[in-house]
Amino acid sequence: EVQLVESGGGLVLPGGSLRLSCAASGYTFSDYWIHWVRQAPGKGLVWVACINFEGDRTTYADSVKGRFTISRDNAKNTLYLQMNSLTAEDTAVYYCARGGHYLDPWGQGTLVTVSS
Amino acid sequence: QSALTQPRSVSGSPGQSVTISCTGTSSDVGAYNYVSWYQQHPGKAPKLIIFDVRERPSGVPDRFSGSKSGNTASLTISGLQAEDEADYYCSSYAGRFTWVFGGGTKLTVL
Repeated sequence: EVQLVESGGGLVLPGGSLRLSCAASGYTFSDYWIHWVRQAPGKGLVWVACINFEGDRTTYADSVKGRFTISRDNAKNTLYLQMNSLTAEDTAVYYCARGGHYLDPWGQGTLVTVSS
Repeated sequence: QSALTQPRSVSGSPGQSVTISCTGTSSDVGAYNYVSWYQQHPGKAPKLIIFDVRERPSGVPDRFSGSKSGNTASLTISGLQAEDEADYYCSSYAGRFTWVFGGGTKLTVL
């Protein structure tokens, strides 16, 4: 069974940093692109970033460009999201999701709260 | 990277059909046949129900169907069931390895 499990969320001060992880299992991790998508409380889904098979191509939503960095370790079957200069607007559940043009499956999400 | 436009809510009675629209631009929905739809129940992760405009993953009932015309994609759910009550999101590839989601539509089964 393909499974994605996010971790690393929590409460962080404005201006702070946090690194999220997404552990993948049940498939050959390096065979797929993988994405981060976030959902603010009571709001819709927003695409955040994605990374290609080998990790040498990354793209970002304008709202996080220059602050967030997506990376992957294919030896550890793990995806990361380094988040810097966090603001209240970054408060959301962060999901990782496998895929190229469509996302399947999704992890259960990890909540990031940016607040003083 | 503007969000795709979806109606905020739709409703229907059991057994009826509903259609949810998803309007983008000639740079995303209109440019690529890479529209997907996701179902999200409260407190749960999204689930893929349609990909590549009209394809259904295995296990998704054929009551769910997708289509596209120009810059607008649509999801139709026929034979509504109580368990279909959820939020639905469309998504499209937007070029240069970026993606965009719609704002989401809340489906109420009356």
